[in-house]
Amino acid sequence: DAEITQSPRHKITETGRQVTLACHQTWNHNNMFWYRQDLGHGLRLIHYSYGVQDTNKGEVSDGYSVSRSNTEDLPLTLESAASSQTSVYFCASSDGSFTEAFFGQGTRLTVV
Amino acid sequence: AQKITQTQPGMFVQEKEAVTLDCTYDTSDPSYGLFWYKQPSSGEMIFLIYQGSYDQQNATEGRYSLNFQKARKSANLVISASQLGDSAMYFCAMRRSSGANSKLTFGKGITLSVRP
Repeated sequence: DAEITQSPRHKITETGRQVTLACHQTWNHNNMFWYRQDLGHGLRLIHYSYGVQDTNKGEVSDGYSVSRSNTEDLPLTLESAASSQTSVYFCASSDGSFTEAFFGQGTRLTVV
Repeated sequence: AQKITQTQPGMFVQEKEAVTLDCTYDTSDPSYGLFWYKQPSSGEMIFLIYQGSYDQQNATEGRYSLNFQKARKSANLVISASQLGDSAMYFCAMRRSSGANSKLTFGKGITLSVRP
């Protein structure tokens, strides 16, 4: 069965370190998204991609970057982790129609 | 810009009763899709139901139905015959027309607690 997986599921890192969260989907979807979830804010879009070599900033993109070198993967990099980036991160993918987006299991990141 | 508003801070419902979770949206696009997702305490995001802006009938999926009122820009989720397993956070989301503008915008969510 097709799926979307995130790794790691939990991560503790120190302030200032570079961190990369992986997202891999086997749906062959062109669209991939990264969200962060914080209490009182719902899910906020960090970055998204509509295809290989395409990346776009979302509403909370500062301090984050992504790259899309193939259809299956959209890694999210925190260039210099900050305590404000402690959150739960979700990756999602979808095709170009009005079908639903499929979500990974989430990554809980703690920056100490 | 598109916006989703979920203002109910928390909802309680008795088991086996129906409950309505409110969602209003704002968009200038004529073509869009509305979604509801469930997030139980385990954390995963589970797709529940979808309504297209041009759909003539309200969407239904088992015990879930979407009360779509286009003129009021509301897309309320109705859960019939609530079960204990329905206790979760519920998110309303919207997507603009397909292709280059297909990102999902989420509301802040509503917590539903089902009482036995």
